[in-house]
Amino acid sequence: NAGVIQTPRHKVTGKGQEATLWCEPISGHSAVFWYRQTIVQGLEFLTYFRNQAPIDDSGMPKERFSAQMPNQSHSTLKIQSTQPQDSAVYLCASSLEGRNTLYFGAGTRLSVL
Amino acid sequence: GEKVEQHESTLSVREGDSAVINCTYTDTASSYFPWYKQEAGKSLHFVIDIRSNVDRKQSQRLTVLLDKKAKRFSLHITATQPEDSAIYFCAAFTYQGGRALIFGTGTTVSVSP
Repeated sequence: NAGVIQTPRHKVTGKGQEATLWCEPISGHSAVFWYRQTIVQGLEFLTYFRNQAPIDDSGMPKERFSAQMPNQSHSTLKIQSTQPQDSAVYLCASSLEGRNTLYFGAGTRLSVL
Repeated sequence: GEKVEQHESTLSVREGDSAVINCTYTDTASSYFPWYKQEAGKSLHFVIDIRSNVDRKQSQRLTVLLDKKAKRFSLHITATQPEDSAIYFCAAFTYQGGRALIFGTGTTVSVSP
């Protein structure tokens, strides 16, 4: 079991460019979560899917951020027109149906110059 | 929505001493309170949790206390060891409304010899 896989590990973009982050959940896990980690804000919830359906996106900035889960083996988080304040570590986690324990990936460190 | 406040941002202890991290939450419907640990350069992993039907849970050197009236819970680490040095995150979850885990801002625990 390789755990939750996130790619890329590091991404550097220029201001105004688009960034797409990928997450492969643990096989058999039905829920996928996205969080953003910064020193100041800590761990902020962004959005989550259950059985590929979006359940709660209350943490997503309304503009520029979108997430999808086209199949059970991967989810993407897309940030359009990236801004310096988007710089953070983006964490993906997955969990089994009916279980609350989250298994986190290593994260993608996004740096917007 | 739920808000979780983690009161100590940093905690320095001597090896062998105890460490206590305190968290408060706002949503009275929250009923599950896990703790996660993030070691340097690594992602988060689950360490211990408590549900609202009990007020204390112990696992080896870790004890979680829950005070539902005060909407407060705490992690107690006894006989601290260097490997306890990490960032600890508390979180709260409600089973209602399809919401996700909401995390506190993290406490950096440093255990010195």
